[in-house]
Amino acid sequence: NAGVTQTPKFRVLKTGQSMTLLCAQDMNHEYMYWYRQDPGMGLRLIHYSVGEGTTAKGEVPDGYNVSRLKKQNFLLGLESAAPSQTSVYFCASSQRRARSTDTQYFGPGTRLTVL
Amino acid sequence: AQTVTQSQPEMSVQEAETVTLSCTYDTSESDYYLFWYKQPPSRQMILVIRQEAYKQQNATENRFSVNFQKAAKSFSLKISDSQLGDAAMYFCAYYNSGTYKYIFGTGTRLKVLA
Repeated sequence: NAGVTQTPKFRVLKTGQSMTLLCAQDMNHEYMYWYRQDPGMGLRLIHYSVGEGTTAKGEVPDGYNVSRLKKQNFLLGLESAAPSQTSVYFCASSQRRARSTDTQYFGPGTRLTVL
Repeated sequence: AQTVTQSQPEMSVQEAETVTLSCTYDTSESDYYLFWYKQPPSRQMILVIRQEAYKQQNATENRFSVNFQKAAKSFSLKISDSQLGDAAMYFCAYYNSGTYKYIFGTGTRLKVLA
């Protein structure tokens, strides 16, 4: 199993450009998450999904959109990139259990720089 | 709203010694889960240990153990016999199944001195 993979690993954008980050998991997990990590701020939740076809806003959703058309994939889109979106982006997934949760499994991260 | 606080931005420990990283959280829920994740320079997030709030017994994983004080809302991580490979950022995280969301602290950078 590859676990959680993210594409691309690095990207440099100019202000105003758009891009999509792809997250894929092969563990048949129900839940998927997108985080951003900035120095001194830990991981902040951007959007998440509790199942195929569903998405919800997290703590810092502005400027981002997501889609979960297939259970194994969770896409994060930036329609018009801004320098404030320079960050490291992590995708994670976890299984759904009744009254419980399994561990979150993380992808390797994508370092995005917006000039 | 739930919050997770790690008050130690950086800690140092001598190789083979023991170190404790602090984490406090705030919640009105009774059923939740707590985690410690390690992030080495490779950036990969690695689960170190997890604790279910309904369990009174503190979780242990080899050299890693927690001190879970539910009433005080405290969840500290103890690393025994520290090794150079333990050097990393450590994040405390909270999860409540009712919200589906994990909340992370700001992290503690651990340095291990040879």
